[in-house]
Amino acid sequence: DIQMTQSPSSVSASVGDRVTITCRASQGIRSWLVWYQQKPGKAPKLLIYGASSLQSGVPSRFSGSGSGTDFTLTISSLQPEDFATYYCQQANSFPRTFGQGTKVEIK
Amino acid sequence: QVQLQQWGAGLLKPSETLSLTCVVYGGSFSGYYWSWIRQPPGKGLEWVGEINPSGTTNYTPSLKSRVTISLDTSKNHFSLNLSSVTAADTAVYYCARGLYTIFGLSFDYWGQGTLVTVSS
Repeated sequence: DIQMTQSPSSVSASVGDRVTITCRASQGIRSWLVWYQQKPGKAPKLLIYGASSLQSGVPSRFSGSGSGTDFTLTISSLQPEDFATYYCQQANSFPRTFGQGTKVEIK
Repeated sequence: QVQLQQWGAGLLKPSETLSLTCVVYGGSFSGYYWSWIRQPPGKGLEWVGEINPSGTTNYTPSLKSRVTISLDTSKNHFSLNLSSVTAADTAVYYCARGLYTIFGLSFDYWGQGTLVTVSS
């Protein structure tokens, strides 16, 4: 199985801050990396696929980068509605695996 | 607008079989990877399995001996059965639509989630 490791596990930030979350795969996955946002009590929402392609309707303050084993999700200017947990997922092989999540909290 | 609506029993006893169904409204039913993903309380996401456009199923290895995913295209729904449940199977179960592109599989639409609790 491909292990996905996110860091940090949680981050405290203020509205307007730039936030960066890292995801590392245990083996190379090219650009086959997906990011989701999940709010409490809700299903995850697709943000980015192919490591850097923004899903339709997702604000442009979200961006993704990376390839191979190291990836980042950046929120350029944190908004109140962005406080949530973010998960990465490798789209390369079976079984599909997710990172453990990064919680973005209000500072 | 695509919507996934799921239902099933929320409270089970150990050794019983978990059964969930997910109906797909709007959009095409063909060409997608219909999937189940679960999330234990307070924990992260775990992919359970999928059924692909050709009807082939793939399951996570730890559950493979107990899980079945099936499809009913005439009713636009797919189902999850997980046998011999234990407390470790307690989780919110989500159905999701998997979209396969040149960048692999991502889950673009999700059901609302069903909390399944296993307790004697």
